[in-house]
Amino acid sequence: KAGVTQTPRYLIKTRGQQVTLSCSPISGHRSVSWYQQTPGQGLQFLFEYFSETQRNKGNFPGRFSGRQFSNSRSEMNVSTLELGDSALYLCASSPGTAGYGYTFGSGTRLTVV
Amino acid sequence: GESVGLHLPTLSVQEGDNSIINCAYSNSASDYFIWYKQESGKGPQFIIDIRSNMDKRQGQRVTVLLNKTVKHLSLQIAATQPGDSAVYFCAENGAGGGADGLTFGKGTHLIIQP
Repeated sequence: KAGVTQTPRYLIKTRGQQVTLSCSPISGHRSVSWYQQTPGQGLQFLFEYFSETQRNKGNFPGRFSGRQFSNSRSEMNVSTLELGDSALYLCASSPGTAGYGYTFGSGTRLTVV
Repeated sequence: GESVGLHLPTLSVQEGDNSIINCAYSNSASDYFIWYKQESGKGPQFIIDIRSNMDKRQGQRVTVLLNKTVKHLSLQIAATQPGDSAVYFCAENGAGGGADGLTFGKGTHLIIQP
């Protein structure tokens, strides 16, 4: 079966712009979580969606938001980009409860200049 | 959430040797632990997991040990191969069904010497 698909793979944006990243989970998976990975902070939890509802959110500013559609696909949005938002953004899907049976995508590499 | 950490940022082993990667966690309420492998340009890949009601779990060439008394987790890789070169992360899923997401350690870069 197809894995977790994230698009685009690479993005370069200018400070102040906004960006939308997309994640298509494994077919049948209802939970989608997002993580930010940077060399300094490592992997950090952004938020998790289950059946179109955000169940929890990590310690990130309100500029980071997301949503999930009825087909379980998810998008995350970052507004007013800052240089420090440059990171690898990873999406993980799981059948149900977040954390169990996670499968990660390859990520979207965002560079803010 | 509380942090999960690894003891060594880099570990170099000879091909064919066994390797042990360690991780200390601080949230005593964590009930589920996972080891991930991340190769360059890829997302983390599941290796093996263990629940808090177990002390040991074995997979193919990998073993995870959990010591709840000292809050320590380790990953043993037997007969390391060049393809094992990657960054290894431990992660915990805190009590509460994982709604807070996984907490990851900083990672250990495993280097396999020929």
